[in-house]
Amino acid sequence: GQQVMQIPQYQHVQEGEDFTTYCNSSTTLSNIQWYKQRPGGHPVFLIQLVKSGEVKKQKRLTFQFGEAKKNSSLHITATQTTDVGTYFCAGTGSGNTGKLIFGQGTTLQVKP
Amino acid sequence: DAGVTQSPTHLIKTRGQHVTLRCSPISGHKSVSWYQQVLGQGPQFIFQYYEKEERGRGNFPDRFSARQFPNYSSELNVNALLLGDSALYLCASSFRDSGANVLTFGAGSRLTVL
Repeated sequence: GQQVMQIPQYQHVQEGEDFTTYCNSSTTLSNIQWYKQRPGGHPVFLIQLVKSGEVKKQKRLTFQFGEAKKNSSLHITATQTTDVGTYFCAGTGSGNTGKLIFGQGTTLQVKP
Repeated sequence: DAGVTQSPTHLIKTRGQHVTLRCSPISGHKSVSWYQQVLGQGPQFIFQYYEKEERGRGNFPDRFSARQFPNYSSELNVNALLLGDSALYLCASSFRDSGANVLTFGAGSRLTVL
């Protein structure tokens, strides 16, 4: 079945350093979404990418969707302690309405 | 406006017992989805309901069942609980049933099976 893989599983950075997490799907995705889950919390929607090669920015966060719509990345510039949490990508395959396939997440720790 | 509300927030059961988890979606949202999140992993899709009809089912055994009521709230039932059912059960609502819709998650129900 369809799988979504994320790397790395964990990342420890010094505050101010950059951070990137990568997401790869075994099949072409119709769209990809990114969620953030704080420790002890629940996933919160960050952004959705739909078009091949799409790039979106939210302040220090940059999201990319690959040309083949099988991979995506999230890049955080100059991390802050408020960025701590687990970042999940989640994809929808063609014909799979309403079902999101989540990656296993990348947990970010930021040392002040 | 209230977000997605789930109850109970925490519960402890023993193997073989049955559990019912409840979810109220955001007002105006007609789609409810259930996800299971085991510690250290991403959420796994269990069910999606839209307008009281099942629209999708994940790879879970028949011990798992759900339904959606006329007011769009939903229940997830799990029978014959196993230790491996211990997890955070997340309910998410969205306006439509399309996979392109953004999910708003509730805080979850944390189930511990002893």
